[in-house]
Amino acid sequence: GAVVSQHPSWVICKSGTSVKIECRSLDFQATTMFWYRQFPKQSLMLMATSNEGSKATYEQGVEKDKFLINHASLTLSTLTVTSAHPEDSSFYICSARPARREAFFGQGTRLTVV
Amino acid sequence: GIQVEQSPPDLILQEGANSTLRCNFSDSVNNLQWFHQNPWGQLINLFYIPSGTKQNGRLSATTVATERYSLLYISSSQTTDSGVYFCAVEDTGGFKTIFGAGTRLFVKA
Repeated sequence: GAVVSQHPSWVICKSGTSVKIECRSLDFQATTMFWYRQFPKQSLMLMATSNEGSKATYEQGVEKDKFLINHASLTLSTLTVTSAHPEDSSFYICSARPARREAFFGQGTRLTVV
Repeated sequence: GIQVEQSPPDLILQEGANSTLRCNFSDSVNNLQWFHQNPWGQLINLFYIPSGTKQNGRLSATTVATERYSLLYISSSQTTDSGVYFCAVEDTGGFKTIFGAGTRLFVKA
């Protein structure tokens, strides 16, 4: 199957700092990638759609200035959590879908803001 | 937007038992997937099943797109089947994958 790799797997940062999470499609090109957020014992909530070469599309209620998304190549999308606060602590997962196939997900990044 | 409902929300089984998980969706979809989320958070693709029936070992799934539901069958459950099972659908408009709330399964030895 197709492989989506996410890095880092976990990160601890101090309140007020920024954290960047990378999502790579290893064996296919992805013009579109998706970023999700999951709180403990809850489902995955779509945050934004990352579009290669253009601005990301954010879901209602997601702060675009807080969660910066860059999709500079066909295999890489990044999510930067800016000025992180403890309430941003969560599990972040990206996904991508090869042409005419199902969605594949990265292994996720567990962010803890202290 | 499209709504995805899963039932039951929680399920406890004795090892060896069979179970059926259900996913209802509110509108037509392009695709439907079933996932198992392991304790480390990794989503494991179980089935890509926009319609019809598929089987993989002890697991099988059926989607009836015209009636907007899908079923995941787990036979002869094992303790390693424990975890959260998610149904996710791709809407026909924006190719977004929307998740249900999940079914939390615990299999007792």
